[in-house]
Amino acid sequence: AQRVTQPEKLLSVFKGAPVELKCNYSYSGSPELFWYVQYSRQRLQLLLRHISRESIKGFTADLNKGETSFHLKKPFAQEEDSAMYYCALRGGGADGLTFGKGTHLIIQP
Amino acid sequence: EAGVAQSPRYKIIEKRQSVAFWCNPISGHATLYWYQQILGQGPKLLIQFQNNGVVDDSQLPKDRFSAERLKGVDSTLKIQPAKLEDSAVYLCASSLDRRNQPQHFGDGTRLSIL
Repeated sequence: AQRVTQPEKLLSVFKGAPVELKCNYSYSGSPELFWYVQYSRQRLQLLLRHISRESIKGFTADLNKGETSFHLKKPFAQEEDSAMYYCALRGGGADGLTFGKGTHLIIQP
Repeated sequence: EAGVAQSPRYKIIEKRQSVAFWCNPISGHATLYWYQQILGQGPKLLIQFQNNGVVDDSQLPKDRFSAERLKGVDSTLKIQPAKLEDSAVYLCASSLDRRNQPQHFGDGTRLSIL
């Protein structure tokens, strides 16, 4: 069975501080990992995926297969980063995503 | 491009009643997903369609939930009869094909069971 764990329900940091949203997964094969974001009053949208190895809005995430982690990082938080962040996994022959419970990120001015 | 459209946005019903949700995916998207998101949790996949065929419905409670995508475009998800634990946001997502394209989500339908 595959599982995604986001240990923090809420994370509050000050503007300009570094941000790290934790994501750990459980899957026996080679997964695809994603970060989705939901801003206030907006729909869920893809932020980044590990196979793209890109930086979106200053965020990066590296897949660490040894630690089964896919933490989301940003060196300097901005107020507009406040949102719900969901880590998701797609594994094996399945196309559907398995989501974590999400972390509510609040950036304080 | 127009996004995934869902209706209604909100629905309130009493337990044991029936309810249906509608989804119109992005034009040209062959793959359609329905997810259930209970308050405080992440979305959970209920069913996946490829065109008008079901690819995965392993997590769909088939005793009360049903879904169809008859012409391979719009889809409806039905609950009959509803239980209190079905209170959730029902999200529809679509993608261009099965694996190599991202999933685009609609705004969802928020269902409250009294």
